[in-house]
Amino acid sequence: DAGVIQSPRHEVTEMGQEVTLRCKPISGHNSLFWYRQTMMRGLELLIYFNNNVPIDDSGMPEDRFSAKMPNASFSTLKIQPSEPRDSAVYFCASSLTPGSVEQYFGPGTRLTVT
Amino acid sequence: GENVEQHPSTLSVQEGDSAVIKCTYSDSASNYFPWYKQELGKGPQLIIDIRSNVGEKKDQRIAVTLNKTAKHFSLHITETQPEDSAVYFCAANLRDDKIIFGKGTRLHILP
Repeated sequence: DAGVIQSPRHEVTEMGQEVTLRCKPISGHNSLFWYRQTMMRGLELLIYFNNNVPIDDSGMPEDRFSAKMPNASFSTLKIQPSEPRDSAVYFCASSLTPGSVEQYFGPGTRLTVT
Repeated sequence: GENVEQHPSTLSVQEGDSAVIKCTYSDSASNYFPWYKQELGKGPQLIIDIRSNVGEKKDQRIAVTLNKTAKHFSLHITETQPEDSAVYFCAANLRDDKIIFGKGTRLHILP
């Protein structure tokens, strides 16, 4: 099993540009999570999907952030327009169910907005 | 809101000694407590978890304890080795199926 796949691994962009992060969950997993990790705030849940449906997006910081899951094997997190304070490592994770089970994390995308 | 507090933020131990990381949680409905290890440049990886129906769980050199009354849980690593150096996160589930993470403990194993 390839595990959770994220792309790109690194992204450097200028303030105001649109950024799209991509995630392929583990095959057969029904739940997908997007997290943001910073030194100041630690690991924060942004949004999670169950069976491709967004269940809780209360962690999305602003309307500039949006996430989609068009099918069971693909999800995107988009930031438009990007700002320097969005610089962080963004992780995608998947699990069999949304409840109390192991979440498998991808390697992350390190985003730098200048 | 609900949260998980983790201490210490940094821990240095001599190789071969034990390391203990402690967490407290606020949601009385939490019943699942995973621990994740994050190595440099990688995503967090589950190393052990415990559910509220048990007070202790052990896997080789790693053990977790849970005190539901006090809302405390701890990670114990014995006979530490250089490869144990990493950032460790405790976490707890919330009643709405989310998992909330502590801020992490950076563990340094000294030679």
